[in-house]
Order: sequence, then C-alpha cells, then structure tokens
Amino acid sequence: GQNIDQPTEMTATEGAIVQINCTYQTSGFNGLFWYQQHAGEAPTFLSYNVLDGLEEKGRFSSFLSRSKGYSYLLLKELQMKDSASYLCAVRNDYKLSFGAGTTVTVRA
Amino acid sequence: DADVTQTPRNRITKTGKRIMLECSQTKGHDRMYWYRQDPGLGLRLIYYSFDVKDINKGEISDGYSVSRQAQAKFSLSLESAIPNQTALYFCATSDLWGTNEQFFGPGTRLTVL
Repeated sequence: GQNIDQPTEMTATEGAIVQINCTYQTSGFNGLFWYQQHAGEAPTFLSYNVLDGLEEKGRFSSFLSRSKGYSYLLLKELQMKDSASYLCAVRNDYKLSFGAGTTVTVRA
Repeated sequence: DADVTQTPRNRITKTGKRIMLECSQTKGHDRMYWYRQDPGLGLRLIYYSFDVKDINKGEISDGYSVSRQAQAKFSLSLESAIPNQTALYFCATSDLWGTNEQFFGPGTRLTVL
C-alpha cells in the first residue's frame, strides 16, 4: 500500500521561509515529485528528487532522504502568489501516488 | 494553446445519468491518466493507459470506464452517475522516457445531484 503524509495547512508571512515536510511508506520508490496547485487549477511541476540530497531551483528547494522515507520542500522569500496547495507525490514505476496536499497561506 | 485539454470544464448532472469526460493532448505522450480530487483526499488514480491498446485500473476504478480512442485522446465515462462521484477530475499525460513528470489538464468540475 501507499501512505504519504504531509501537514494539512501552514501559514507564513510574506518574505519568510516555509518548510513543508512529506513522509512516505510505499511499496516501491522510483522518485519523488513536488507539485504546486492553485485553487481550482491544475497541478504544475515544481521539483523531482530521485537521489538523496538537496535540489535547488530559484526560491524553491527540495530535499530527499530515501532511508528515512522523508522529503521536504523549502520555499524562500515567500510571495503572495505562493499561496497554494503543495502536493508530494511518490513515483512507483510509471504511476504517481499523491499525498493529500499542504495548503500554504501567505499573509502580508 | 494548452497542451492538455479537457471538456467539459464544468458539468452538473443527475443521479443515474451517463456522462463522458474527454481529454486531448498535443504533447505526443504515450501515457495518459485519469484522477479525481476530493478535499482532504488528494489526487487518486482512476485509470491509466500506456498506449492505445493498454488500459489499466487504478486504485478507485469502480463505477468508471475509459476509452483510449487514439494516442492523443482518452475519455472517462460514468455509466450511471451517483452523488459521491461529485469531484474535480484531472487528466494527465507523461512521456515514455525521463522522470515520468506528469502534465495535467485544467480539470473538469463534476456535480452529481
């Protein structure tokens, strides 16, 4: 089975940093994705980790520890437009299993 | 133009009606997927197809059927809609190679009364 956990909601202030954690227990693992989803819109790709370590892409970074079944997404210099849901998804062969998503609210 | 399109974007129907949701893509991808999204439950896989002759059930296929009419088209049908099928439905595609990043359509909001 697949069990992917992430916090339901987080709130942060504009300009701050927020870290969204994701823990997983899955029957297989070929990589981990993070997607951003604004309300009522399609998910869009943010990052992909297949090896342990940190991947940095502008204001967003993603970390993976396969031995711990753990990943996090770090959002720096938060902007109002970063208010959205962030979805953690584990790849197993050619399918993705998604966590329920973390809704991040950025306050002025 | 969008790479992955879905029609209709919104639909209200009644219990017992048959309904079809359509997905088209211009990305040239072989793999296509149908998901539903419910508040607090995330995206759940309904069906997926790796080519025109390949159809596979996902984790929640009961009450749904699909048709892969061409590489670019993948339709989802509800033979007899029920209220707990009210949800946001997404189609997605991915390539044969690389990371299997999935590209999502804009979604169809379905309400079953």
